[in-house]
Amino acid sequence: GENVEQHPSTLSVQEGDSAVIKCTYSDSASNYFPWYKQELGKGPQLIIDIRSNVGEKKDQRIAVTLNKTAKHFSLHITETQPEDSAVYFCAASYGNNRLAFGKGNQVVVIP
Amino acid sequence: GAGVSQSPRYKVAKRGQDVALRCDPISGHVSLFWYQQALGQGPEFLTYFQNEAQLDKSGLPSDRFFAERPEGSVSTLKIQRTQQEDSAVYLCASSPQGQGNYGYTFGSGTRLTVV
Repeated sequence: GENVEQHPSTLSVQEGDSAVIKCTYSDSASNYFPWYKQELGKGPQLIIDIRSNVGEKKDQRIAVTLNKTAKHFSLHITETQPEDSAVYFCAASYGNNRLAFGKGNQVVVIP
Repeated sequence: GAGVSQSPRYKVAKRGQDVALRCDPISGHVSLFWYQQALGQGPEFLTYFQNEAQLDKSGLPSDRFFAERPEGSVSTLKIQRTQQEDSAVYLCASSPQGQGNYGYTFGSGTRLTVV
């Protein structure tokens, strides 16, 4: 099956700086890569996603890049704000409709 | 409602008890998923429904776990003879698409604690 690894496990950034989270995956057949944000006591919320036929996608302060050859993808958050503090999960598709998730990154934005 | 609704939000069960967790997906969503999230971990796939058909149950950890979606809307995840290792947050998600890979909308989950 698919194995997704995510690092670093915890990331602290000053407000206004950028945060980057990197993930690797193992299954070359994976073709869909979403990122989720999870706040305490809530379910994961989809924030951005990318398909394997695209190398980069941007939505306001959030961007995702994908390197299919190296099997890694990254989440970039610019101009971080305190409300960006949360746990972020990357995921990769496997089979039909299933997602394999990484273990999550705790992002702490220091005001 | 506008989102995926799960009930109860919290459930404490004595070891050996049976539990039933409910999920109300977004109205009209074809696909419904159950995931299990252990403390400090990412969600892990349990099972997938397309309408009332359970197309994939490969993630269910044992035959004590059973899920159904009889009318293609509300779904119930049942765990029989609960064990301590069943303690986790159980997340339900739905998607409007039937095939292919798309982003899900998750509910807030049911936190199950087995004592």
